[in-house]
Amino acid sequence: GDSVTQMEGPVTLSEEAFLTINCTYTATGYPSLFWYVQYPGEGLQLLLKATKADDKGSNKGFEATYRKETTSFHLEKGSVQVSDSAVYFCALSDNSGGYQKVTFGTGTKLQVIP
Amino acid sequence: DTAVSQTPKYLVTQMGNDKSIKCEQNLGHDTMYWYKQDSKKFLKIMFSYNNKELIINETVPNRFSPKSPDKAHLNLHINSLELGDSAVYFCASSLGQLNTEAFFGQGTRLTVV
Repeated sequence: GDSVTQMEGPVTLSEEAFLTINCTYTATGYPSLFWYVQYPGEGLQLLLKATKADDKGSNKGFEATYRKETTSFHLEKGSVQVSDSAVYFCALSDNSGGYQKVTFGTGTKLQVIP
Repeated sequence: DTAVSQTPKYLVTQMGNDKSIKCEQNLGHDTMYWYKQDSKKFLKIMFSYNNKELIINETVPNRFSPKSPDKAHLNLHINSLELGDSAVYFCASSLGQLNTEAFFGQGTRLTVV
């Protein structure tokens, strides 16, 4: 079955540091890939997505590239801010079973300190 | 104009009780989901409905019963609540297509005492 593996957190960075959160996946079909962010006390919201190999998703300074050869979708940001502190989820969407199924990684908590 | 709304936001109840969580979406989506998030933030799908029909039913105790009266609503009823049911439950909806994202509600924090 489908699965998503993320690096374990928490990740603690100083403001303006470079961020990488690793994500790899296994899927039976040709999935779409997503990063979601969850701020404290809130639901998940879409951060960015990529729907085919070599696509780059970007939003709010975050980027991730769909790498089919390494089955990866690592999240990066050049300079993090305190307001980026949240839990980040990598996810894949697959419809090989005839319906959409979204599988999430375990989440990575990011803490940015001033 | 909340896209996906769940009620209640907090639910504290005793073991053995029966409770329901309601979910409504105004996005016109065909597909709705229930997810369970545990204390370590792990997010696990429980159910998925497409046009009021159950299409995903993961390994969930049959004390959990989803009900979809129409495309815009997906409620979750839980019988005989147990301590291990304590978690945050998220409702979500999507267009149900491969490259479309899911929209999440704010979550319902269930505490069983």
